[in-house]
Amino acid sequence: AQSVTQPDIHITVSEGASLELRCNYSYGATPYLFWYVQSPGQGLQLLLKYFSGDTLVQGIKGFEAEFKRSQSSFNLRKPSVHWSDAAEYFCAVDDRGSTLGRLYFGRGTQLTVWP
Amino acid sequence: ETGVTQSPTHLIKTRGQQVTLRCSSQSGHNTVSWYQQALGQGPQFIFQYYREEENGRGNFPPRFSGLQFPNYSSELNVNALELDDSALYLCASALAGGRTDTQYFGPGTRLTVL
Repeated sequence: AQSVTQPDIHITVSEGASLELRCNYSYGATPYLFWYVQSPGQGLQLLLKYFSGDTLVQGIKGFEAEFKRSQSSFNLRKPSVHWSDAAEYFCAVDDRGSTLGRLYFGRGTQLTVWP
Repeated sequence: ETGVTQSPTHLIKTRGQQVTLRCSSQSGHNTVSWYQQALGQGPQFIFQYYREEENGRGNFPPRFSGLQFPNYSSELNVNALELDDSALYLCASALAGGRTDTQYFGPGTRLTVL
């Protein structure tokens, strides 16, 4: 069965510091990969996605992610974090199966940003 | 272009009651999926509707049911509510067969079961 692991439940960084959020997935082929962000009391906003091609993808708000097939990873990065980035981040996988766009989510990483 | 909307925002019910949650898809989208997000967890897939037919279901009991209407809006119905049904319910729409295959989420409905 497909699974998504986000090993870090909570990360704290200082404003201006770099950020990397980890995501590993379990799937036989190359799935579609997504990062979503959720602010308190809000729904999920798409940050970026990977379907194929260039393994480094750029997203909104200055985020990027790199797909590494050999490591089954899709880590999210940002070179300089802003206080407004504090939120919960979810990695998700679409197994491209019979159900169109069925997403499997990790349990999320809560990001705290110190001023 | 309007995004995905959900109603109501919050809802409080008691055990054994029934609830209906509503979702309006993003304009032009023909697929809607529902997810349950328990506190401190990632969203879990409940089911998906495509052109008014159920098109896949997650590990949820039959008391979770849904509908999709000709205008692609959708309802999630939960019967015989249990305490563990307390969660944020998220609706997501997409254009099946579209170039992007991307799900766009609504703000969610927070259900509390007492």
